[in-house]
Amino acid sequence: EDKVVQSPLSLVVHEGDTVTLNCSYEVTNFRSLLWYKQEKKAPTFLFMLTSSGIEKKSGRLSSILDKKELSSILNITATQTGDSAIYLCAVEPLRGYQKVTFGTGTKLQVIP
Amino acid sequence: DGGITQSPKYLFRKEGQNVTLSCEQNLNHDAMYWYRQDPGQGLRLIYYSQIVNDFQKGDIAEGYSVSREKKESFPLTVTSAQKNPTAFYLCASKDRGVNTEAFFGQGTRLTVV
Repeated sequence: EDKVVQSPLSLVVHEGDTVTLNCSYEVTNFRSLLWYKQEKKAPTFLFMLTSSGIEKKSGRLSSILDKKELSSILNITATQTGDSAIYLCAVEPLRGYQKVTFGTGTKLQVIP
Repeated sequence: DGGITQSPKYLFRKEGQNVTLSCEQNLNHDAMYWYRQDPGQGLRLIYYSQIVNDFQKGDIAEGYSVSREKKESFPLTVTSAQKNPTAFYLCASKDRGVNTEAFFGQGTRLTVV
């Protein structure tokens, strides 16, 4: 059974801090790893990392995939209160859109 | 506007009742998913469907049922066999293409009263 574990489960930081969220996975025939942000209800897509694209960056957010260690990190620099959310990691197997397995999520709270 | 619509947003169920959660998408996506989210937790897969008239159990399918009679619709029924149905339910859809992300609906919060 595919497995995705995120750490920490929750995190409280002050505005301006830099945070690193972790995701480790065990999946048969890995295809891609995705990061989502869930502020209230619907998760929204952040990044997709694959064998051909192991590092992504958008503004203050960046993510790296370590295929050797079967893990990924999501970095957020200069955090803002608007970054407060649950960050979800998901892995997708090689065969298209079969079981997409999500992790436990990391709840980030950024306080002023 | 393309997207996924879940209804209702809030649902109250009496013990012993079956209820059906609606999920409709106009993105022309082949794959659709139902996830359950409990407070402070990630998403757990209930059922998924890759094409019309076909669906597979996820990790926590017991007490749930689905149908996929139309490409755009993937309703989830929470049966009385589901012992702890109070949760937030999210529907998602995904294109067939390589390396595509899933799009989510706004969710349905189900409470057993």
